[in-house]
Amino acid sequence: DTAVSQTPKYLVTQMGNDKSIKCEQNLGHDTMYWYKQDSKKFLKIMFSYNNKELIINETVPNRFSPKSPDKAHLNLHINSLELGDSAVYFCASSQSLAGVEQFFGPGTRLTVL
Amino acid sequence: QQQVKQSPQSLIVQKGGISIINCAYENTAFDYFPWYQQFPGKGPALLIAIRPDVSEKKEGRFTISFNKSAKQFSLHIMDSQPGDSATYFCAAGKRGADGLTFGKGTHLIIQP
Repeated sequence: DTAVSQTPKYLVTQMGNDKSIKCEQNLGHDTMYWYKQDSKKFLKIMFSYNNKELIINETVPNRFSPKSPDKAHLNLHINSLELGDSAVYFCASSQSLAGVEQFFGPGTRLTVL
Repeated sequence: QQQVKQSPQSLIVQKGGISIINCAYENTAFDYFPWYQQFPGKGPALLIAIRPDVSEKKEGRFTISFNKSAKQFSLHIMDSQPGDSATYFCAAGKRGADGLTFGKGTHLIIQP
């Protein structure tokens, strides 16, 4: 069984469109994250979400908004997509905020044309 | 400001050799130091992790060495195998919701 799953795996879209990426974890974890991996493979935290508390990395444009319908799901919605948004987006989860192991999903490769 | 610096950017090691990747951090509030392994098209997977109360941790062929005073830690892969060829990331974390701060990664190639 997949611990952290994401859909879709690939997403190709035009500039200016709005898109969403879905993430689900079946580990019973309390905390979920979104990371962005750029073309140079640099991984950077975008959001952390724990018990309905959202921590936003200040460098993330407000076109990006995470939405959590329940503890097992954290979706990422992106408005007005730009060329620079092209990257691989990873969802992750951990049992708590205490710097414990984070389990990553398989990633969603977003290409903005 | 890059809080976790990783080197080298790429590394080629012969099969059976020792692969060594180094990282340095700046924020003394970090208290959790994991290493992740990533294969092409896959998500990062935890390899081994250490907390600053110990100087070394070994799991199979993988060892983390940690130097708190120097704010440095390293990954040693003993008896490196072609299947170890991947990108390795060091990271640092602390209690709270900031997530992990990653190094820029090391592309490791093990030549048969």
